[in-house]
Parts: sequence; structure tokens; C-alpha cells
Amino acid sequence: SQQGEEDPQALSIQEGENATMNCSYKTSINNLQWYRQNSGRGLVHLILIRSNEREKHSGRLRVTLDTSKKSSSLLITASRAADTASYFCAVNNNDMRFGAGTRLTVKP
Amino acid sequence: DTAVSQTPKYLVTQMGNDKSIKCEQNLGHDTMYWYKQDSKKFLKIMFSYNNKELIINETVPNRFSPKSPDKAHLNLHINSLELGDSAVYFCASSRARGEYGYTFGSGTRLTVV
Repeated sequence: SQQGEEDPQALSIQEGENATMNCSYKTSINNLQWYRQNSGRGLVHLILIRSNEREKHSGRLRVTLDTSKKSSSLLITASRAADTASYFCAVNNNDMRFGAGTRLTVKP
Repeated sequence: DTAVSQTPKYLVTQMGNDKSIKCEQNLGHDTMYWYKQDSKKFLKIMFSYNNKELIINETVPNRFSPKSPDKAHLNLHINSLELGDSAVYFCASSRARGEYGYTFGSGTRLTVV
């Protein structure tokens, strides 16, 4: 499929632990993006990684991209209860295609 | 000052009715989109407009018709609503296709009864 597919579907961790979410896709891409969605809200753009980049950082977020394996991962370090949300990857080949997201729960 | 605003936030209506959802962006972006999020949180693109021109029209029933009077507005009109149309509809915009992140509205929860 053209969309990103996140894994796992759900993840539950304790505050302070790291959270890793994975994304796989099947087509060529211009870039891959990660978004966060809090319950009942719209999606918020977190980070964009281009197809010629391998790693990107933004605060406590680290994104990697392996175009040979058609996969990406999002690492959230030192998680906080406020990080509880759904996280979506989206593959961008002129238009963005999303998966169903990973539901992250961070317990205080 | 909301960047992408959708109205209404909630919409409850009976089967067979016609309804519209409005979207406006004040970011000066060229491209606007409509997405549908189902109960399993899967987010699917419906339409994409670039400078008022329809770019993408996914496999969406003809009952759904987007209208873009100018590049800051993209409205969604739905005829003869069905139970299966119940979902959250998100409007989004981006500076251009392909290279930039999207800014999403807060969504319209449509419930068809």
C-alpha cells in the first residue's frame, strides 16, 4: 500500500522510559513525516525527514529513515505523561498517506 | 488566531440530509486537503486542492463534493448522508505539495443517525 503502517498498534510505558515506534511503507517517497494526535484533537506535525536523510532530531524526538528497508522509527526519550497520544507516520509522495497510528500511553 | 479552522466542530444529522463543513486557512498555503478518520483512527485522504484546482479525488462517493472558492477556503458538501459517513473529517493545508508538513484543523465529528 502507499500509506505508512505503524507498529506496534499500542504501547504502554512508565514515565522516564523511552518509547520506540516503527513505520513501514512500500513505495518510493519524497519524505516521511511523523504527527501526534491527542484525543479529540487534530494532528500536529512533529518532524519531517527527507528521503536522502538518515536521522533527524528535535528535542526529545529522534527519527531514523532506512530507505533500503522502507522503514522509519520514532524514538521519544525520557517520556512524560503529556506524551500520551497517538503517533502517525505519513509517507509523502506528493500527497500524504497515513496509517492507523500507534497509541502511546505513558503512565505517571 | 487559528491557522486552520473548521466549522462546525460537531454535526449530528439524520440519514438522507445534506450538510456542509467549512474550512479556512490563514497561513497563505497553496494546497488544502480533506481527510476522513474512521473509528479505528485510520486517516484516509479524500481530496486535495492546489490553488483552487482539484488535484486528488480518491475513491469517494459522488455524494461528496469539495468546493474551493479561493485558495484559503475548501468546503466539503455531502449529499444524502448515510450511516457509514459517520467519522471525523479533518481539513489540512500545506505550503505546497510534496515537500512540507501539513497543518491540520481540529476536526468535525459527523454523526449520522
